[in-house]
Parts: sequence; C-alpha cells; structure tokens
Amino acid sequence: EDQVTQSPEALRLQEGESSSLNCSYTVSGLRGLFWYRQDPGKGPEFLFTLYSAGEEKEKERLKATLTKKESFLHITAPKPEDSATYLCAVQPSTSGTYKYIFGTGTRLKVLA
Amino acid sequence: DVKVTQSSRYLVKRTGEKVFLECVQDMDHENMFWYRQDPGLGLRLIYFSYDVKMKEKGDIPEGYSVSREKKERFSLILESASTNQTSMYLCASRYIRDYEQYFGPGTRLTVT
Repeated sequence: EDQVTQSPEALRLQEGESSSLNCSYTVSGLRGLFWYRQDPGKGPEFLFTLYSAGEEKEKERLKATLTKKESFLHITAPKPEDSATYLCAVQPSTSGTYKYIFGTGTRLKVLA
Repeated sequence: DVKVTQSSRYLVKRTGEKVFLECVQDMDHENMFWYRQDPGLGLRLIYFSYDVKMKEKGDIPEGYSVSREKKERFSLILESASTNQTSMYLCASRYIRDYEQYFGPGTRLTVT
C-alpha cells in the first residue's frame, strides 16, 4: 500500500537552531514528491517538487533533498516566521496523474 | 502569481441543508481538485476535474457532488449536509502538464 509518513509530528526550535524534517514514503514508483508549507487556518503553499533520488532544491532557509525512500526538508538558522506546518506529498507513477498521497505534516514552532 | 480563491472562509450549516462551496482560479489551469483536511488524516481527495464538464471521483466522494461549467470555476456540493462533513475544505488547481498543485485558502465548514 502506498504510504507517506512524516516525522516528527511536532518540533520546537530556538531561533537559529538548524534542523531537518523527514518524509518517508512507500510507493510503487515515484512520479514526484512535493513539499508544502501551511499556516494555521490557511491553504497549503507550494514549496518544492523533487523527481529523482539525489535531487536537491533550495529556497531561502529551506533545502529539500530526496533519496529512494525518503525526503528531508532542512531548515537552516530558522526564524519565528518559519513557524508553520510542513506537508509532504507523493505522486505514485502507477496511479492516475491526479492521485497524491499526503502526509499528516510536521508542526514547526520557532521560538525567538 | 497563481491565485485560487474560495467563496467562504467560514461556513456554518445545519444537518440536511444543501451546501455549495465555490472555487475560482485565475491561471487558466485545466485541472482542479477538491480535498478535505481533517486532523491526523492528511488531505483526502473528494473529486478531481480534468477540464470543463469532466470529473473523476477521488477517495471519498460519498455525500458530495461537483460541477464544472466554466474552466475557472469548480463547485463542491453537499447534497444533504451531515455532522461528519464538518471539516476544512481545500480547492487546488494545476496545469495539465505540471504536477504542482496550487491551493486556495480553504473553507472551514461546520455542520450542526
């Protein structure tokens, strides 16, 4: 069964304390892996798409990496405004192109 | 910037009422989606639309229907609202050849 698991469920960091969020996936073929940021009471905001193992993408303090089994979202020197829930989603290559499997997210809190 | 808007941010309805949720995107995207988001369950696909008048059932279509009469507009209809349909409803859109989805701000629906 296709599955996405995110860890940890919640993370508290001090401002400037770098860390990583994990997205483990089990799918029979990966078409793409997506990271989103979601602020409370709002819709997810697209961050990155990764397509193949070894791929990396960066945006400001965020860097996403991909292996054959998992993806990491590295946050370097976070600021309080980085506090949000980060969602991971995968699109299996064996399903229709409209199928995405979402994880339940990591709630990040950055303290000043 | 891609803009996806939803007709209401918050909605309170009574059991048995017919409920309409509307979504509009301004980027000429062919594909549109309706999801619901519940704590601990992640995003679950209700319906997907390939293009005008085209629709596909998602993972949890029971109790819902959709309408897409114009390319920019995708409506979700709860024929007879029930308390277990209390949730956050998210609309998304994307280009037919891309995999990144762009989400609206969400509608928090409460059915009493």
